[in-house]
Amino acid sequence: EPEVTQTPSHQVTQMGQEVILRCVPISNHLYFYWYRQILGQKVEFLVSFYNNEISEKSEIFDDQFSVERPDGSNFTLKIRSTKLEDSAMYFCASRLGFGSSYEQYFGPGTRLTVT
Amino acid sequence: AQKVTQAQTEISVVEKEDVTLDCVYETRDTTYYLFWYKQPPSGELVFLIRRNSFDEQNEISGRYSWNFQKSTSSFNFTITASQVVDSAVYFCALSEASGNQFYFGTGTSLTVIP
Repeated sequence: EPEVTQTPSHQVTQMGQEVILRCVPISNHLYFYWYRQILGQKVEFLVSFYNNEISEKSEIFDDQFSVERPDGSNFTLKIRSTKLEDSAMYFCASRLGFGSSYEQYFGPGTRLTVT
Repeated sequence: AQKVTQAQTEISVVEKEDVTLDCVYETRDTTYYLFWYKQPPSGELVFLIRRNSFDEQNEISGRYSWNFQKSTSSFNFTITASQVVDSAVYFCALSEASGNQFYFGTGTSLTVIP
């Protein structure tokens, strides 16, 4: 069964460094998302992406964040200059977008630790 | 504004007991979608169910059942004859009609004691 994959599973970085989190959505899906879950808290929406542009973003998704779909398969989240409070699990998700299927399929997550 | 409330932070039950996880939502949309996800200790989010706002039929899948009531804006989840493997954090989520955003509740941590 097709699934969303994310790499790396765990990333440790120093404050101020740039990180890129990578996701490979399900191949025929058209909508892509990033979510964040700070340890022990709820999952929070960051950004949605469709047709090579951001369709919605939350207040969390400030200028330090950017997303890109550099080729036909990868979907990346870049954090320009990481802060301690960026430490969280980051989930990528994708959605087919046709018909009535509003289900988002989530990847296994990347745990980001900023030291 | 969309909002999902899971008032139960933690629940513990003894194996084989039934348990109901509550979810109350707020939305101004007439068309929306409700979801339940399971997050086991390994951290991934596992899809359990999706329900459309115009379909109030309750659903049963094995030991799982869901009760959707628009009149009370609730979408409760019941596990019958709970098992240790059911121990996880369960999230209720709401999606607007466009499907572009998910609003998650704060989750209910379920512990099933053998």
